[in-house]
Amino acid sequence: GDSVTQMEGPVTLSEEAFLTINCTYTATGYPSLFWYVQYPGEGLQLLLKATKADDKGSNKGFEATYRKETTSFHLEKGSVQVSDSAVYFCALSSRAQKLVFGQGTRLTINP
Amino acid sequence: DVKVTQSSRYLVKRTGEKVFLECVQDMDHENMFWYRQDPGLGLRLIYFSYDVKMKEKGDIPEGYSVSREKKERFSLILESASTNQTSMYLCASSSARGRGKNEQYFGPGTRLTVT
Repeated sequence: GDSVTQMEGPVTLSEEAFLTINCTYTATGYPSLFWYVQYPGEGLQLLLKATKADDKGSNKGFEATYRKETTSFHLEKGSVQVSDSAVYFCALSSRAQKLVFGQGTRLTINP
Repeated sequence: DVKVTQSSRYLVKRTGEKVFLECVQDMDHENMFWYRQDPGLGLRLIYFSYDVKMKEKGDIPEGYSVSREKKERFSLILESASTNQTSMYLCASSSARGRGKNEQYFGPGTRLTVT
């Protein structure tokens, strides 16, 4: 079945560092891909998405490119801030409209 | 602004009690979902619904049931709560248009503790 594998955390960085969180997937067909973020004490919020190969999703300085050849959707940000501290989830959605999530990566940014 | 609300943020119940978790969305979405979130396991789908009165089992339906009598409301029921159901429960909704391309919108979650 469909699955998502994320880079294991926790990840700790200093402010202004470059961030990469790896995400790879296994799916039949052509899924849509998502990154969600969960701030402490809150539900999940959509960060960005891509619905077809080579699409780049971007939001709040974060970017991810849908790479069909490597079945990947890595999350990147050029300069992180303390306010980016959160748990990040990679997910895919098939035509069945269900989301399959990775296990989540906890990110902590130190000032 | 889109909104998914859940009836409680925190809930403490005793083993064997019947527990109801309510979820309401105001976006006229067809699809609604219940997940549980546990550390290291990500989110796991319990049940989902594509329409009123319809329900489908997710990956971990055992010990749970659901009810969808109105389009905007999706209830999760723990028939007889057990300590291994202590978890964070998240509700979500999405539009059926553009099949599979639409994001899900999440509620704030209910942290349930069963003692």
